[in-house]
Amino acid sequence: GAVVSQHPSWVICKSGTSVKIECRSLDFQATTMFWYRQFPKQSLMLMATSNEGSKATYEQGVEKDKFLINHASLTLSTLTVTSAHPEDSSFYICSARDNLEQYFGPGTRLTVT
Amino acid sequence: GNSVTQMEGPVTLSEEAFLTINCTYTATGYPSLFWYVQYPGEGLQLLLKATKADDKGSNKGFEATYRKETTSFHLEKGSVQVSDSAVYFCALSIVVTGGGNKLTFGTGTQLKVEL
Repeated sequence: GAVVSQHPSWVICKSGTSVKIECRSLDFQATTMFWYRQFPKQSLMLMATSNEGSKATYEQGVEKDKFLINHASLTLSTLTVTSAHPEDSSFYICSARDNLEQYFGPGTRLTVT
Repeated sequence: GNSVTQMEGPVTLSEEAFLTINCTYTATGYPSLFWYVQYPGEGLQLLLKATKADDKGSNKGFEATYRKETTSFHLEKGSVQVSDSAVYFCALSIVVTGGGNKLTFGTGTQLKVEL
């Protein structure tokens, strides 16, 4: 099946710094990619939907200036957490859509100290 | 709004036991229903799906039937294996205004199968 990768798989950063997470579709082109956030023992919460070459659509309550999403090509989307704080610590998961099915990356564990 | 409720885990079973993971949903309109599985260190993978009432999705010995009358999509397997140990997510998808669809997930149920 289609493969989606994320990099890094985990990252620790200091409060106030920015962190970039990459999401790549390895063997297909994805016109739409999704970014989710998962808290322990909670469901995946959709943060934003990004379409290649256009601005991302953010879900209600998600700060677009804090979580910058770029989808510059059909195989790459990036999520940048700007001025990270400890409350941004979480598991971030991306997903890419091929026709009607979504394929998920393995996730990135972000810890902000 | 749309929501998915699934039983809390972890669920611990012996190999060859029967598995049921309950899932109920609330949705406006007519959602498609999914079960995803997440093995340790990997991304979510689609396990099975059903797109309309009374449809049965099945894969790898797992099955689930779309029950509109009870708004449920319970996951079952007759005989689990150690290799089935993973986290299972129930989800629904509904077409949103402007086109496209959006997945809404349950909280996930961890399954542990022991010898």
